[in-house]
Amino acid sequence: DAGVTQSPTHLIKTRGQQVTLRCSPKSGHDTVSWYQQALGQGPQFIFQYYEEEERQRGNFPDRFSGHQFPNYSSELNVNALLLGDSALYLCASSWKRSEQFFGPGTRLTVL
Amino acid sequence: GESVGLHLPTLSVQEGDNSIINCAYSNSASDYFIWYKQESGKGPQFIIDIRSNMDKRQGQRVTVLLNKTVKHLSLQIAATQPGDSAVYFCAENTGTYKYIFGTGTRLKVLA
Repeated sequence: DAGVTQSPTHLIKTRGQQVTLRCSPKSGHDTVSWYQQALGQGPQFIFQYYEEEERQRGNFPDRFSGHQFPNYSSELNVNALLLGDSALYLCASSWKRSEQFFGPGTRLTVL
Repeated sequence: GESVGLHLPTLSVQEGDNSIINCAYSNSASDYFIWYKQESGKGPQFIIDIRSNMDKRQGQRVTVLLNKTVKHLSLQIAATQPGDSAVYFCAENTGTYKYIFGTGTRLKVLA
């Protein structure tokens, strides 16, 4: 079992650009949550996907959007990147509301 | 607003000693709490959880204590080892799909 995988590992973008991050959940998991972790801070909940729909959303602007595919994998899209979007983006998967397993994250740097 | 905070940003302990990491939460409606360990370059790893109908829960070398009266959570690590060096986060849940993380405490184990 590969666990939760995320791609890419690192990414550098410039302000105004758009980015797509990808997540493959742990085998048997059907729920994916995305978090943003700024340097030196705890993860902040962005949103959660279940049955291909956004089930709950945190305090993030509409520039942050996502998608879940029939195979339960998920994408996080961020439009019109700002310097403040630089962070580690974490994906966590679970089966229903059971324990969340986190991936290693994608480090996004916005210049 | 909702918040989960930690009293000590950095904790240094001697190898073999016991460690206590504290966390204060502000949402009295929270009914589920989790401690995570995050090592450099990795996503958070589940350590132990506790529900609000319990005061104490023990795992292997770890104990979580919950004091609902003062909205305080602690993680005790027995016989701290070098491999315990990491950042520790507490997270709370109010019965929704959203987890609120604190800012973290860095544990340094001194040889």
